[in-house]
Amino acid sequence: KQEVTQIPAALSVPEGENLVLNCSFTDSAIYNLQWFRQDPGKGLTSLLLIQSSQREQTSGRLNASLDKSSGRSTLYIAASQPGDSATYLCAVKGGGNKLTFGTGTQLKVEL
Amino acid sequence: NAGVTQTPKFRILKIGQSMTLQCTQDMNHNYMYWYRQDPGMGLKLIYYSVGAGITDKGEVPNGYNVSRSTTEDFPLRLELAAPSQTSVYFCASSRTDRGQRDTQYFGPGTRLTVL
Repeated sequence: KQEVTQIPAALSVPEGENLVLNCSFTDSAIYNLQWFRQDPGKGLTSLLLIQSSQREQTSGRLNASLDKSSGRSTLYIAASQPGDSATYLCAVKGGGNKLTFGTGTQLKVEL
Repeated sequence: NAGVTQTPKFRILKIGQSMTLQCTQDMNHNYMYWYRQDPGMGLKLIYYSVGAGITDKGEVPNGYNVSRSTTEDFPLRLELAAPSQTSVYFCASSRTDRGQRDTQYFGPGTRLTVL
């Protein structure tokens, strides 16, 4: 059974800092990995999707990498801003068209 | 486009009552999903559909039913509500299950409490 772990569970950083969020998964037989953002009381917003054949994806200040063989992904946020404060979730898609989610990293960017 | 819409936003049920959570998407996506999110936990898949008339169970289907009569709508039915069904329910959709078009778009959620 696929298990997805995200470390740390919570993170607080000053504005402007570069930061890395980590995601690990136990079964490397995946189709893709997605990073989502969740704001309090709201739904999830997809940030980046990395297919199993890819090593990384970039969107603006966000860069996500995937090392399928070691079961790891990182989300790099450059020059963090208070507006980046949210919970970040990673999810992997394996067989059966099903996403398995991690429990998320709650990020707070302080002025 | 409104994207994925869900109603209601909040609901309190008594044990044993039933209700239907509504989900509609206007992106002409074939795939639709229902998830539940318990406090401090990741999302768990309840049911999904790959097109009108086709549904399949996810990880935690017990106590729920779904139907998919149109491309746009994917209601989730709770029969005989139990306290264990207290959760936030999210509906999502995607164009396909391949490549970048596999990106799932989420609704704002329905917060359900069963007392």
